[in-house]
Amino acid sequence: GQNIDQPTEMTATEGAIVQINCTYQTSGFNGLFWYQQHAGEAPTFLSYNVLDGLEEKGRFSSFLSRSKGYSYLLLKELQMKDSASYLCAVRPSSTDSWGKLQFGAGTQVVVTP
Amino acid sequence: SQTIHQWPATLVQPVGSPLSLECTVEGTSNPNLYWYRQAAGRGLQLLFYSVGIGQISSEVPQNLSASRPQDRQFILSSKKLLLSDSGFYLCAWKGSNEKLFFGSGTQLSVL
Repeated sequence: GQNIDQPTEMTATEGAIVQINCTYQTSGFNGLFWYQQHAGEAPTFLSYNVLDGLEEKGRFSSFLSRSKGYSYLLLKELQMKDSASYLCAVRPSSTDSWGKLQFGAGTQVVVTP
Repeated sequence: SQTIHQWPATLVQPVGSPLSLECTVEGTSNPNLYWYRQAAGRGLQLLFYSVGIGQISSEVPQNLSASRPQDRQFILSSKKLLLSDSGFYLCAWKGSNEKLFFGSGTQLSVL
C-alpha cells in the first residue's frame, strides 16, 4: 500500500526557520511534490523533486533522498502569511503518465509573532 | 494562460439529495483532469481522473460518479448524497511540467 507520513502541526516564530519532514513508502516513485494550502483554499504548487538533493527557491527549499524515502521542506525567514498547511505528495508510478498523486495528510504550520 | 474554474464554492445539501459539481479548464486542450476530495484532517484523496472525453477512471468505490462531456469540462455527480460525502472537493488538471493545478474548491456539507 501507499504510506506518506508528515507531522500534524508545527509552530514557529516570525523570522525563524522550520523544517517539515515527509517520509514515504509507495509502490514506485517518480517524483515528490510540496504544496501550500491556506484554510479553505486550493493547494498551490511549491516544489518538485525527482532526483536526490536540495532544490532552492527563494525562502523555500526542498530536499529529497530516494534511498531513504525521505523529503523535507525548509521554510526560512518565516512570515505570518506562511501560516498554512503544507502537503507532501508522491507520484508513485513512472509508467502512469496520468499524473496521479498520493498525498500526505498535511502539516499545519502556525507562525507566531 | 491556463485557468481552471470550479463552482459552486460552498454547498449545503440534505442527505439523499442529488449533487452536481462542475469544473472547466481554459487555455489548454485535451488536459488530464482529476477530482480530489479532502475530508477534515485528512489528505487529498483521488476520486476520479480522465484523460479525454468520455474516459473516466475511478480510484475508490463510492457513492459518486464523474463524467467528461466535453474536452475541458469535468463533472462530479451523485444521485443520493450520504453524510460521508461531506468534504472539500477539488478539481485539478496536470500541466506539461508535471504540476497539478487546482481549482478553488467546493466545500460540501451534507446534513
